[in-house]
Amino acid sequence: GESVGLHLPTLSVQEGDNSIINCAYSNSASDYFIWYKQESGKGPQFIIDIRSNMDKRQGQRVTVLLNKTVKHLSLQIAATQPGDSAVYFCADNRGSNYKLTFGKGTLLTVNP
Amino acid sequence: NAGVTQTPKFQVLKTGQSMTLQCAQDMNHNSMYWYRQDPGMGLRLIYYSASEGTTDKGEVPNGYNVSRLNKREFSLRLESAAPSQTSVYFCASSEWIMNTEAFFGQGTRLTVV
Repeated sequence: GESVGLHLPTLSVQEGDNSIINCAYSNSASDYFIWYKQESGKGPQFIIDIRSNMDKRQGQRVTVLLNKTVKHLSLQIAATQPGDSAVYFCADNRGSNYKLTFGKGTLLTVNP
Repeated sequence: NAGVTQTPKFQVLKTGQSMTLQCAQDMNHNSMYWYRQDPGMGLRLIYYSASEGTTDKGEVPNGYNVSRLNKREFSLRLESAAPSQTSVYFCASSEWIMNTEAFFGQGTRLTVV
């Protein structure tokens, strides 16, 4: 079925390195994408979003890239810190105004 | 600001028991949501309320009911709990209907035995 998925379920990086978390989506009607971070025992926390009329959006230490041609988006975290260790979820809307379809998540571990 | 507050944080139920999960937000948001999160699966939408006075089914509504009590509060009720409803439940709110940043509560870990 159509769903948002992740290429890598786990990612381990050294503190100070840049991290890239990838996500694939399959529904061509999707026009809104969002990344959430979830720390252990907590609720998801918004990181950054992007609409389909953009290819790139930057936040504080984070950048989301959207490639509509291959239905792929990525989250780049610059100078990764131990506090960035968490599960990262991507989600897309499949053209809906209310529903987000979440991927299964990628566990990012930052080694000091 | 407290943001989104869920109660209780943990609950164990016996099969067939009923309970209500409470959620309140203090951000004056119009839209509220209930999700469940199971191991190996992403968040799945159970019900949502686009605005005060309205509720609609999400992806997995069976076995649940909701009430948008007022603008601040959105409750989720399990009338007859089943082991398949063992999960972590998250309430969320956003200024308007989805496609904007949503704020999540800390979650309720529910176990049905």
